Amino acid sequence: RKEVEQDPGPFNVPEGATVAFNCTYSNSASQSFFWYRQDCRKEPKLLMSVYSSGNEDGRFTAQLNRASQYISLLIRDSKLSDSATYLCVVTGGSYIPTFGRGTSLIVHP
Amino acid sequence: GAVVSQHPSRVICKSGTSVKIECRSLDFQATTMFWYRQFPKQSLMLMATSNEGSKATYEQGVEKDKFLINHASLTLSTLTVTSAHPEDSSFYICSAKDRVDQPQHFGDGTRLSIL
Repeated sequence: RKEVEQDPGPFNVPEGATVAFNCTYSNSASQSFFWYRQDCRKEPKLLMSVYSSGNEDGRFTAQLNRASQYISLLIRDSKLSDSATYLCVVTGGSYIPTFGRGTSLIVHP
Repeated sequence: GAVVSQHPSRVICKSGTSVKIECRSLDFQATTMFWYRQFPKQSLMLMATSNEGSKATYEQGVEKDKFLINHASLTLSTLTVTSAHPEDSSFYICSAKDRVDQPQHFGDGTRLSIL
């Protein structure tokens, strides 16, 4: 089983839609969780950290479910500019970040 | 926010050339830097983890003699691709973090093309 797993998608949604991605991790000792977005041929950019209590940043909401070992990202009112690959990153006891393969989102008019 | 500068952004050179890529943290001290490689339409692959003042830890399958990493200071790490060949052509990205529980911040990446 891979350490961090994501559905590669693509998720194809219309503008204004709400879309959610999940990311599961295998190491129960994982400590830190992040969502990044990566545009084509660009470096990943931090979207948001994921806190135990869940956190929200504008249209984006991230949640952590330690019992089921997954994190989620919810995007409300999708914009065309949200089209990108969303990477989940999990850091465990070794403190080496482990990336998921990414989930591709395509928002169309 | 934290800024990581990576240079050069684009390299095109002949087979057999050695290429050096620099990664600098501009506004924080990076205790750990990471080097990744990404082939087209594939996910990021961690090559090595570099801690200031110590030898880099390479991932399985990454040749340490081919990909030389030097993390001489808290703000600079370098990756040298020695005797590069066309199969080394890829997008190389560095990242840095100042604390183990903090997110890493990425450089802009270096697109390496070996002819």
